[in-house]
Amino acid sequence: DAKTTQPPSMDCAEGRAANLPCNHSTISGNEYVYWYRQIHSQGPQYIIHGLKNNETNEMASLIITEDRKSSTLILPHATLRDTAVYYCIVRAYTGKLIFGQGTTLQVKP
Amino acid sequence: EAGVAQSPRYKIIEKRQSVAFWCNPISGHATLYWYQQILGQGPKLLIQFQNNGVVDDSQLPKDRFSAERLKGVDSTLKIQPAKLEDSAVYLCASSPLWGKNTEAFFGQGTRLTVV
Repeated sequence: DAKTTQPPSMDCAEGRAANLPCNHSTISGNEYVYWYRQIHSQGPQYIIHGLKNNETNEMASLIITEDRKSSTLILPHATLRDTAVYYCIVRAYTGKLIFGQGTTLQVKP
Repeated sequence: EAGVAQSPRYKIIEKRQSVAFWCNPISGHATLYWYQQILGQGPKLLIQFQNNGVVDDSQLPKDRFSAERLKGVDSTLKIQPAKLEDSAVYLCASSPLWGKNTEAFFGQGTRLTVV
Protein backbone atom coordinates (compact mmCIF):
# COMPACT_ATOMS: atom_id res chain seq x y z
CA ASP A 1 0.00 0.00 0.00
CA ALA A 2 1.02 3.56 -0.66
CA LYS A 3 2.53 5.31 2.33
CA THR A 4 1.30 8.76 1.29
CA THR A 5 -1.94 10.73 1.48
CA GLN A 6 -2.80 13.48 -1.01
CA PRO A 7 -5.91 15.55 -1.71
CA PRO A 8 -7.75 14.12 -4.73
CA SER A 9 -7.92 17.39 -6.62
CA MET A 10 -6.79 21.02 -6.63
CA ASP A 11 -7.23 24.06 -8.81
CA CYS A 12 -4.68 26.76 -9.54
CA ALA A 13 -4.79 29.96 -11.58
CA GLU A 14 -2.37 30.20 -14.47
CA GLY A 15 0.77 32.13 -13.51
CA ARG A 16 0.28 31.56 -9.81
CA ALA A 17 2.21 29.13 -7.62
CA ALA A 18 0.72 25.68 -7.19
CA ASN A 19 1.34 24.14 -3.77
CA LEU A 20 0.61 20.42 -3.61
CA PRO A 21 0.64 18.86 -0.12
CA CYS A 22 1.50 15.29 0.82
CA ASN A 23 1.39 13.44 4.14
CA HIS A 24 3.81 10.58 4.78
CA SER A 25 3.70 10.16 8.55
CA THR A 26 5.15 6.62 8.55
CA ILE A 27 8.22 7.41 6.47
CA SER A 28 11.43 5.73 7.61
CA GLY A 29 14.79 7.43 8.02
CA ASN A 30 16.30 6.04 4.83
CA GLU A 31 13.27 6.53 2.60
CA TYR A 32 13.14 9.31 0.03
CA VAL A 33 10.15 11.40 -1.06
CA TYR A 34 9.66 11.41 -4.83
CA TRP A 35 7.23 13.37 -6.96
CA TYR A 36 6.04 12.31 -10.39
CA ARG A 37 3.33 13.66 -12.63
CA GLN A 38 1.28 12.04 -15.34
CA ILE A 39 -0.25 13.92 -18.19
CA HIS A 40 -3.13 12.17 -19.92
CA SER A 41 -2.10 9.12 -21.97
CA GLN A 42 1.58 9.45 -21.10
CA GLY A 43 3.87 7.58 -18.73
CA PRO A 44 4.68 9.22 -15.38
CA GLN A 45 7.35 11.91 -15.53
CA TYR A 46 9.89 12.45 -12.76
CA ILE A 47 9.79 15.89 -11.13
CA ILE A 48 11.97 15.97 -8.03
CA HIS A 49 12.98 14.01 -4.94
CA GLY A 50 14.50 14.64 -1.52
CA LEU A 51 15.48 13.05 1.76
CA LYS A 52 15.29 15.76 4.39
CA ASN A 53 16.58 18.98 2.90
CA ASN A 54 14.55 21.23 0.66
CA GLU A 55 15.30 20.72 -3.02
CA THR A 56 14.86 22.85 -6.12
CA ASN A 57 15.32 22.15 -9.80
CA GLU A 58 14.18 23.72 -13.04
CA MET A 59 10.70 22.27 -12.69
CA ALA A 60 9.77 22.65 -9.05
CA SER A 61 10.71 23.00 -5.40
CA LEU A 62 10.24 20.39 -2.71
CA ILE A 63 9.74 21.45 0.89
CA ILE A 64 10.03 18.67 3.49
CA THR A 65 9.05 19.37 7.09
CA GLU A 66 11.68 18.92 9.77
CA ASP A 67 9.98 15.80 11.16
CA ARG A 68 9.71 14.49 7.56
CA LYS A 69 6.05 13.57 8.04
CA SER A 70 4.84 15.80 5.26
CA SER A 71 6.05 17.66 2.19
CA THR A 72 4.88 20.21 -0.36
CA LEU A 73 5.62 20.34 -4.05
CA ILE A 74 5.71 23.88 -5.39
CA LEU A 75 5.30 24.77 -9.06
CA PRO A 76 6.31 28.44 -8.94
CA HIS A 77 4.45 29.70 -12.02
CA ALA A 78 1.85 27.19 -13.12
CA THR A 79 0.93 26.99 -16.80
CA LEU A 80 -1.89 25.18 -18.56
CA ARG A 81 0.63 22.46 -19.50
CA ASP A 82 1.08 21.67 -15.81
CA THR A 83 -2.45 20.25 -15.67
CA ALA A 84 -1.83 16.61 -14.68
CA VAL A 85 -2.08 14.03 -11.92
CA TYR A 86 0.70 14.53 -9.38
CA TYR A 87 1.95 11.59 -7.34
CA CYS A 88 3.86 11.81 -4.08
CA ILE A 89 5.78 8.59 -3.40
CA VAL A 90 7.87 7.30 -0.54
CA ARG A 91 10.59 5.24 -2.15
CA ALA A 92 11.87 2.23 -0.22
CA TYR A 93 15.56 1.31 0.06
CA THR A 94 14.96 -1.43 -2.52
CA GLY A 95 14.04 1.24 -5.06
CA LYS A 96 10.40 0.17 -4.99
CA LEU A 97 8.02 2.93 -6.15
CA ILE A 98 4.47 2.57 -4.82
CA PHE A 99 1.97 5.00 -6.33
CA GLY A 100 -1.16 6.21 -4.56
CA GLN A 101 -4.17 7.92 -6.13
CA GLY A 102 -2.38 11.23 -6.61
CA THR A 103 -3.71 14.78 -6.86
CA THR A 104 -5.35 15.98 -10.05
CA LEU A 105 -4.15 19.55 -10.58
CA GLN A 106 -6.27 21.68 -12.87
CA VAL A 107 -4.59 24.91 -13.97
CA LYS A 108 -7.18 27.42 -15.11
CA PRO A 109 -6.68 30.48 -17.35
CA GLU B 1 19.71 9.58 -24.60
CA ALA B 2 17.02 7.15 -25.76
CA GLY B 3 14.15 6.60 -23.36
CA VAL B 4 12.35 3.44 -22.27
CA ALA B 5 10.87 1.76 -25.33
CA GLN B 6 7.71 -0.32 -25.17
CA SER B 7 5.78 -2.22 -27.80
CA PRO B 8 3.15 -2.54 -28.95
CA ARG B 9 1.44 0.76 -28.07
CA TYR B 10 -2.03 -0.73 -28.37
CA LYS B 11 -3.40 -4.26 -28.29
CA ILE B 12 -6.94 -5.61 -28.47
CA ILE B 13 -7.52 -9.29 -27.69
CA GLU B 14 -10.41 -11.52 -26.76
CA LYS B 15 -10.69 -12.96 -23.27
CA ARG B 16 -8.84 -16.24 -22.76
CA GLN B 17 -6.27 -15.29 -25.41
CA SER B 18 -2.64 -14.69 -24.55
CA VAL B 19 -0.63 -11.50 -25.04
CA ALA B 20 2.95 -10.35 -24.56
CA PHE B 21 4.46 -6.92 -24.02
CA TRP B 22 8.05 -5.96 -24.63
CA CYS B 23 10.23 -3.39 -22.88
CA ASN B 24 13.70 -2.11 -23.70
CA PRO B 25 15.04 -0.06 -20.77
CA ILE B 26 17.53 2.78 -20.90
CA SER B 27 21.01 1.45 -21.59
CA GLY B 28 22.89 0.59 -18.42
CA HIS B 29 19.87 0.68 -16.12
CA ALA B 30 19.99 -2.26 -13.75
CA THR B 31 16.48 -1.94 -12.34
CA LEU B 32 13.35 -2.59 -14.40
CA TYR B 33 9.73 -2.28 -13.29
CA TRP B 34 6.42 -3.38 -14.76
CA TYR B 35 3.28 -1.54 -13.66
CA GLN B 36 -0.41 -2.01 -14.39
CA GLN B 37 -2.56 1.13 -14.53
CA ILE B 38 -6.31 0.69 -14.62
CA LEU B 39 -8.29 3.70 -15.82
CA GLY B 40 -8.67 6.29 -13.07
CA GLN B 41 -6.15 4.67 -10.72
CA GLY B 42 -2.48 5.13 -9.95
CA PRO B 43 0.05 2.66 -11.39
CA LYS B 44 0.29 -0.63 -9.49
CA LEU B 45 3.66 -2.35 -9.31
CA LEU B 46 3.56 -5.87 -10.74
CA ILE B 47 7.22 -6.84 -10.68
CA GLN B 48 10.64 -5.30 -10.10
CA PHE B 49 13.88 -6.74 -11.51
CA GLN B 50 17.43 -5.97 -10.45
CA ASN B 51 19.57 -7.04 -13.41
CA ASN B 52 17.95 -10.39 -14.27
CA GLY B 53 16.83 -11.24 -10.73
CA VAL B 54 13.39 -10.57 -9.24
CA VAL B 55 13.36 -8.11 -6.31
CA ASP B 56 9.59 -7.97 -5.80
CA ASP B 57 6.72 -9.79 -7.50
CA SER B 58 4.28 -9.80 -4.60
CA GLN B 59 1.53 -8.11 -6.64
CA LEU B 60 1.95 -10.23 -9.77
CA PRO B 61 -1.01 -12.62 -10.36
CA LYS B 62 1.23 -15.58 -10.98
CA ASP B 63 -1.54 -17.88 -12.16
CA ARG B 64 -1.83 -15.88 -15.38
CA PHE B 65 0.98 -13.30 -15.49
CA SER B 66 4.65 -14.01 -16.07
CA ALA B 67 7.66 -11.82 -16.69
CA GLU B 68 11.25 -12.39 -17.56
CA ARG B 69 14.35 -10.31 -18.09
CA LEU B 70 16.89 -12.38 -19.90
CA LYS B 71 20.51 -11.18 -19.79
CA GLY B 72 19.44 -8.31 -17.55
CA VAL B 73 18.39 -6.04 -20.42
CA ASP B 74 15.07 -6.40 -22.31
CA SER B 75 11.99 -7.71 -20.57
CA THR B 76 8.71 -9.29 -21.59
CA LEU B 77 5.46 -9.45 -19.64
CA LYS B 78 2.96 -12.12 -20.63
CA ILE B 79 -0.68 -12.69 -19.75
CA GLN B 80 -2.17 -16.12 -20.37
CA PRO B 81 -5.14 -16.39 -20.42
CA ALA B 82 -6.38 -12.81 -20.39
CA LYS B 83 -9.47 -11.72 -18.48
CA LEU B 84 -11.69 -8.68 -19.00
CA GLU B 85 -10.29 -7.08 -15.84
CA ASP B 86 -6.78 -7.11 -17.34
CA SER B 87 -7.77 -4.18 -19.55
CA ALA B 88 -5.30 -1.50 -18.54
CA VAL B 89 -2.16 0.37 -19.53
CA TYR B 90 1.00 -1.61 -18.85
CA LEU B 91 3.94 0.63 -18.04
CA CYS B 92 7.60 -0.26 -18.01
CA ALA B 93 10.16 1.82 -16.14
CA SER B 94 13.90 1.60 -15.54
CA SER B 95 16.44 3.16 -13.22
CA PRO B 96 20.11 2.81 -12.36
CA LEU B 97 21.06 0.79 -9.31
CA TRP B 98 19.35 2.27 -6.29
CA GLY B 99 21.23 5.17 -4.86
CA LYS B 100 20.84 8.71 -3.67
CA ASN B 101 20.27 10.38 -6.99
CA THR B 102 18.56 7.78 -9.08
CA GLU B 103 15.21 8.36 -10.71
CA ALA B 104 13.01 5.97 -12.61
CA PHE B 105 12.10 6.72 -16.21
CA PHE B 106 8.84 5.47 -17.67
CA GLY B 107 7.89 4.38 -21.14
CA GLN B 108 4.70 5.44 -22.90
CA GLY B 109 2.97 2.21 -21.99
CA THR B 110 0.95 -0.42 -23.82
CA ARG B 111 -2.81 -0.02 -23.73
CA LEU B 112 -4.47 -3.44 -23.55
CA THR B 113 -8.17 -3.92 -24.21
CA VAL B 114 -9.66 -7.33 -23.50
CA VAL B 115 -13.06 -7.91 -25.12
